[in-house]
Amino acid sequence: NAGVMQNPRHLVRRRGQEARLRCSPMKGHSHVYWYRQLPEEGLKFMVYLQKENIIDESGMPKERFSAEFPKEGPSILRIQQVVRGDSAAYFCASSPLERTGGTEAFFGQGTRLTVV
Amino acid sequence: AQKVTQAQTEISVVEKEDVTLDCVYETRDTTYYLFWYKQPPSGELVFLIRRNSFDEQNEISGRYSWNFQKSTSSFNFTITASQVVDSAVYFCALWGYQKVTFGTGTKLQVIP
Repeated sequence: NAGVMQNPRHLVRRRGQEARLRCSPMKGHSHVYWYRQLPEEGLKFMVYLQKENIIDESGMPKERFSAEFPKEGPSILRIQQVVRGDSAAYFCASSPLERTGGTEAFFGQGTRLTVV
Repeated sequence: AQKVTQAQTEISVVEKEDVTLDCVYETRDTTYYLFWYKQPPSGELVFLIRRNSFDEQNEISGRYSWNFQKSTSSFNFTITASQVVDSAVYFCALWGYQKVTFGTGTKLQVIP
């Protein structure tokens, strides 16, 4: 039973390019959460998605950032026209329910985005 | 609204000392879950423990122990006989309705 898979682990983009971060939740999980960790800071909530629905995007920057979780395939966090300030670690978590129920919250290993 | 406060930004201890990491939380939910995660220098998040709001029993796992006190909204984490490998950033987190809120983390340095 594979855990939450994020890829790539490391991503380097030049300013102005697009970054696409992928998150495959654990099997049977239909809830995905994205978090951003800026250097030397804690994790900040970005967006909560269920299959084909965005439930809460209150933590997402208003511009350039978007997220989706299609019926088939991984969840994608997309950052357009990246800037240096987007350099951070992006973590994805999945759960079978809105709450964790009887399980721990499963986090992926993160994608470290570096904008040069 | 949810809030998790880890007042200790950095702690340094000498190897074999005991150390307690504090976590205080705020939530209006009656059902919630509390977590501790370890983030070593390699950057991944390592799950340590989950506690639900109805289970105030303290837990011990090897050198780790957790003290959940609902009356003071605290979920403190103690490492007994610390080791250099314990050096990491430790995050306390609250899973309430629809989102997980993290504290800002406590950086623990264990000096040999």
